[in-house]
Amino acid sequence: QSALTQPASVSGSPGQSITISCTGTSSDVGGYNYVSWYQQYPGKAPKLLIYDVSNRPSGVSNRFSGSKSGNTASLTISGLQAEDEAVYHCCSWTSTSWVFGGGTKLTVL
Amino acid sequence: EVQLLESGGGLVQPGGSLRLSCAASGFSFSSSAMTWVRQAPGKGLEWVSTSGSGGSIYYADSVKGRFTISRDNSKNTLYLQMNSLGAEDTAIYHCAARKEGNYFDYWGQGTLVTVSS
Repeated sequence: QSALTQPASVSGSPGQSITISCTGTSSDVGGYNYVSWYQQYPGKAPKLLIYDVSNRPSGVSNRFSGSKSGNTASLTISGLQAEDEAVYHCCSWTSTSWVFGGGTKLTVL
Repeated sequence: EVQLLESGGGLVQPGGSLRLSCAASGFSFSSSAMTWVRQAPGKGLEWVSTSGSGGSIYYADSVKGRFTISRDNSKNTLYLQMNSLGAEDTAIYHCAARKEGNYFDYWGQGTLVTVSS
């Protein structure tokens, strides 16, 4: 199972919105509504941000939103804040396993 | 408060073995599926193995036949026995808990495994 494709890095200024894409195939992202997103600070544990494409766990800011079109899922962060600078990982269920993206480093300028 | 604390990582020679542990607290361990996910230096996350709450077990092709996942519900602890280790297994190994859906609710910080002579 090949890894999902994410941009290596994205950047934005405080207050702006950014979108991180996550491209897979019809066997993973396109085949199931089981895409999740995780935020990870250096040396820390990943944290669940979005599950089942667009759902937020309790306690996660509504500045984070998820969507999917075909084989590509997207994470949008609105009203960028300095604390959003982190690595973001997407993940998809594949019916027998999970596949992750390579991670996207978000820099807040 | 949910806690997942991994231990057992370290430096091991190629061909060697290592046993990782993950001590869980703050949630229902026995009714949760538990998973190992690794992250090689400078790389993304990679799913390794899952132990379902009902006893089902799954492995990534890259570790099948070499790694064994197990759990002790009486100790709220997840294990990963790793044999025939190679340089490609060098990574931080995280344990993660999955309550109901196809996503990982809780994660540990990880333990570093380095395979080198």
